[in-house]
Amino acid sequence: SQQGEEDPQALSIQEGENATMNCSYKTSINNLQWYRQNSGRGLVHLILIRSNEREKHSGRLRVTLDTSKKSSSLLITASRAADTASYFCATDPELTDSWGKLQFGAGTQVVVTP
Amino acid sequence: NAGVTQTPKFRVLKTGQSMTLLCAQDMNHEYMYWYRQDPGMGLRLIHYSVGEGTTAKGEVPDGYNVSRLKKQNFLLGLESAAPSQTSVYFCASSFPGGNEQYFGPGTRLTVT
Repeated sequence: SQQGEEDPQALSIQEGENATMNCSYKTSINNLQWYRQNSGRGLVHLILIRSNEREKHSGRLRVTLDTSKKSSSLLITASRAADTASYFCATDPELTDSWGKLQFGAGTQVVVTP
Repeated sequence: NAGVTQTPKFRVLKTGQSMTLLCAQDMNHEYMYWYRQDPGMGLRLIHYSVGEGTTAKGEVPDGYNVSRLKKQNFLLGLESAAPSQTSVYFCASSFPGGNEQYFGPGTRLTVT
């Protein structure tokens, strides 16, 4: 079952623009993570935000977390062609039998055109 | 460090054939995972392991078996392949808990 759902499913922007994608989830979490997947490659971890954090930055990435709305957003500023990829959110559910079994969403496909 | 490696990268099987996918990690991670990725469905957990000699079922375990005889290796077996198992398979590893996972490059499997 997918805990996280990304929105939009696809996003097309021009270089230099900002890209924003959202993730909604259903149950309480320990943390939420964002991953990037380039075409034909494995997923690469971008950033982890814990349930007691509201915002986190890493380079051109900004992640927010609103636990009351069970949602998160990933902002990529000043996008580059190299940011073209699929972006996935993954949640670590706060369950009694949870041992770190992440639940991934279906992803947002981002295309950045020069 | 090689990180997480997977072999083979590509494979075509006929229905009913068997095969084993190998995952190896050199980061001394306790936890290892096998996922499958299908279009529009994100990643689904097949089996996982929280340590050498232990394995457990994930979300979609039917038709697959796994073994973790050594800490650094996690094998995924298909005993009798079916077309529904056509997918891209990813192995991942992590330290204990819901920490970041490190992924291999994937194995693209086609069952005809």
